[in-house]
Amino acid sequence: DTEVTQTPKHLVMGMTNKKSLKCEQHMGHRAMYWYKQKAKKPPELMFVYSYEKLSINESVPSRFSPECPNSSLLNLHLHALQPEDSALYLCASSQDYGTGGLGEKLFFGSGTQLSVL
Amino acid sequence: AQTVTQSQPEMSVQEAETVTLSCTYDTSENNYYLFWYKQPPSRQMILVIRQEAYKQQNATENRFSVNFQKAAKSFSLKISDSQLGDTAMYFCAFMRITGGGNKLTFGTGTQLKVEL
Repeated sequence: DTEVTQTPKHLVMGMTNKKSLKCEQHMGHRAMYWYKQKAKKPPELMFVYSYEKLSINESVPSRFSPECPNSSLLNLHLHALQPEDSALYLCASSQDYGTGGLGEKLFFGSGTQLSVL
Repeated sequence: AQTVTQSQPEMSVQEAETVTLSCTYDTSENNYYLFWYKQPPSRQMILVIRQEAYKQQNATENRFSVNFQKAAKSFSLKISDSQLGDTAMYFCAFMRITGGGNKLTFGTGTQLKVEL
């Protein structure tokens, strides 16, 4: 199984709603990532979890709250979003070899297309 | 901070022909990895090829190969025998090895269209 599964595929929410994005992988990877991608732009890193601990937060606003309940699951909780937060949210996973020198291949999910009204 | 530059926003190629996509990067690191990812209209990011900076030999994966010039900080992708299914946005990406989940920085992308 080399898949990263993201749900839902599409989400429309109002600015006062609370919603969550879910990501799951069963490849035994110990690093998981959230990326945000606006149309015709490259993905931008938001968060990285390594061994279920948050290791990188790219100064993301607090209305985005990540959670890693176990090594296979990654959530992104959304609250009080703005219309400019509308984007494709990509989850990815990889092995985490530390500084041992093996550059991990990131495996991406197909994303959640989020629209904030 | 690392930067990745793709100077060709759009390219087109005839089916069965060869095309080369350019990428340059800027870093002070000596140990790093470079990647090419493709993103077709389905928007799933798919790994095309990976290059280790410590290896002089250029990586190849079937019809895809790279020309890695470390001193020039250049990392181009050559697609041979182009197929319609190669139509996609192609992103060059740089990975610095830090542990704790490694940060992947993408270039701005090249939209490749393969035509009949």
